[in-house]
Amino acid sequence: DGGITQSPKYLFRKEGQNVTLSCEQNLNHDAMYWYRQDPGQGLRLIYYSQIVNDFQKGDIAEGYSVSREKKESFPLTVTSAQKNPTAFYLCASSPSEKLFFGSGTQLSVL
Amino acid sequence: GENVEQHPSTLSVQEGDSAVIKCTYSDSASNYFPWYKQELGKGPQLIIDIRSNVGEKKDQRIAVTLNKTAKHFSLHITETQPEDSAVYFCAASWDSSYKLIFGSGTRLLVRP
Repeated sequence: DGGITQSPKYLFRKEGQNVTLSCEQNLNHDAMYWYRQDPGQGLRLIYYSQIVNDFQKGDIAEGYSVSREKKESFPLTVTSAQKNPTAFYLCASSPSEKLFFGSGTQLSVL
Repeated sequence: GENVEQHPSTLSVQEGDSAVIKCTYSDSASNYFPWYKQELGKGPQLIIDIRSNVGEKKDQRIAVTLNKTAKHFSLHITETQPEDSAVYFCAASWDSSYKLIFGSGTRLLVRP
């Protein structure tokens, strides 16, 4: 069953804690993305990667980090430097401009 | 950089009526304009897209129109059904940037 898998669906972060959101795709897409979605707002780009071992900052990269060691995987770490991490996080992959999204991870602060 | 504005933020229509959502973009270099539908608790799904060399594109009950001169594009849904209720996002990108800039979304409610 092809697609993009995000886990966990819900995640809670304590103060000062780093947390990592998982994103895996089996669509053989080169490019992968992380977007943040806040209520009533559009999707804002955090990081993107067009090829393995390479990634670029998006519009709101501060407080986040990523890695792209495998084509299938693009994990996002929300660091303690991100002071307002509560949001819905969406991972996507694409063979071109067309994005295919996962089902998202809701991150909340305890 | 590119900025995409989307209106209205909420739209309520009677089942069977048409719905229109409008977006404007700022960067004249933008040449790809997709529309995504997001159902509650799910990721957005691409429903239709258009490139700058085309003025209109249709797919069954949905259509997108593009006015490059005015830098705006619109989503048209005809014969709306309750299952059309969702949040719709427009977006824009340019060349091979692979970076989509999204509008703020429109929550569409179709009343039975």
